[in-house]
Amino acid sequence: NAGVTQTPKFRVLKTGQSMTLLCAQDMNHEYMYWYRQDPGMGLRLIHYSVGEGTTAKGEVPDGYNVSRLKKQNFLLGLESAAPSQTSVYFCASSSTLAYEQYFGPGTRLTVT
Amino acid sequence: DQQVKQNSPSLSVQEGRISILNCDYTNSMFDYFLWYKKYPAEGPTFLISISSIKDKNEDGRFTVFLNKSAKHLSLHIVPSQPGDSAVYFCAALKGTGRRALTFGSGTRLQVQP
Repeated sequence: NAGVTQTPKFRVLKTGQSMTLLCAQDMNHEYMYWYRQDPGMGLRLIHYSVGEGTTAKGEVPDGYNVSRLKKQNFLLGLESAAPSQTSVYFCASSSTLAYEQYFGPGTRLTVT
Repeated sequence: DQQVKQNSPSLSVQEGRISILNCDYTNSMFDYFLWYKKYPAEGPTFLISISSIKDKNEDGRFTVFLNKSAKHLSLHIVPSQPGDSAVYFCAALKGTGRRALTFGSGTRLQVQP
């Protein structure tokens, strides 16, 4: 039981490049989330999903897109990376039975 | 507009003593609160939570207190241990629908042996 896993762990992009971050969970959770964490700040919600095939915007969605084609996977895409997207990205999931969210180990992204 | 605030960026306590971490919120619609612990290079891990219908919840060495009228909650760790050294985040949830957490900026706790 791996919980929530994220791929890759680290990535460096040049401005304008694109990439996809992959999140996978093996807990059969309905809800999945993408957050970003910047220095001196808490985690901020980018996008979330309440079930397979559904997505919704969070607090800071601009510049990102997401897809949830399978229940266990939640993808975060950056179509044209900008230095302001340099951050640590965390994926999380939760069940319908409880409020606590379970987080992955994070992806550290640097955009130069 | 920060709806969840942790005004102390850091806290240092001696091993065996009590650690008290504070959190304030501004949105009266928040009705469920959680504390997360985060070690470097790891994701946050859930610690303890409290519903707005309660004023206290206890789990081993960890107790969370909620004062709704003051919009304030605190996490008490007794006794503190060196392994408790981490960043602690307070998070809040409003309603049952969206499930999106609003996080505070975190407090770094250092427990000195």
